[in-house]
Amino acid sequence: DADVTQTPRNRITKTGKRIMLECSQTKGHDRMYWYRQDPGLGLRLIYYSFDVKDINKGEISDGYSVSRQAQAKFSLSLESAIPNQTALYFCATSESTSGGHTDTQYFGPGTRLTVL
Amino acid sequence: AQSVTQLGSHVSVSEGALVLLRCNYSSSVPPYLFWYVQYPNQGLQLLLKYTSAATLVKGINGFEAEFKKSETSFHLTKPSAHMSDAAEYFCAVSVRGGTSYGKLTFGQGTILTVHP
Repeated sequence: DADVTQTPRNRITKTGKRIMLECSQTKGHDRMYWYRQDPGLGLRLIYYSFDVKDINKGEISDGYSVSRQAQAKFSLSLESAIPNQTALYFCATSESTSGGHTDTQYFGPGTRLTVL
Repeated sequence: AQSVTQLGSHVSVSEGALVLLRCNYSSSVPPYLFWYVQYPNQGLQLLLKYTSAATLVKGINGFEAEFKKSETSFHLTKPSAHMSDAAEYFCAVSVRGGTSYGKLTFGQGTILTVHP
């Protein structure tokens, strides 16, 4: 879905380097998420943000940080990359709805990160 | 906390055969349940979702799933498989309140292979 874009799509880096993955959306959603996908483990939540001033850790936040620069932009950083951070990373967005229930999350195309 | 278990990391069917992908969930509060599909080199796309309306949910591409509270299941079915259904399928759960509100928890994924 072109409404959620991720850059870069592929990245190879070395251990110890700082890496930033960027996510932008044109859906007007206030909620954004970062996941990593590993074979056999499904998707695991790294960080999520329900609005620009609200950022929360997910289940696997160690070694990662995020920045919500604007409603439409949510960046994920690896301060010092390590090989076990090699994975496929997805950004997703959703719209908060009245009644308090979860709406559909829309995913970007993913960034394949390799840490050597 | 909620969790999802997908039974079978790989499922293989012949074209035209029934597709059955199994998902069981655990949640202490009424859940919302989702099935997503991931085609090769793409992000996740929503197939269908259960949000406490009808227990039989119809989605895109001829897929449907039935919410069975007594069995804590949300299995995905399609009467007749097509070659284009080959993909990885993810079941996910979210809840309507508490500290997990608004977050998706994914299963491990099931890779569906369709043989001619």
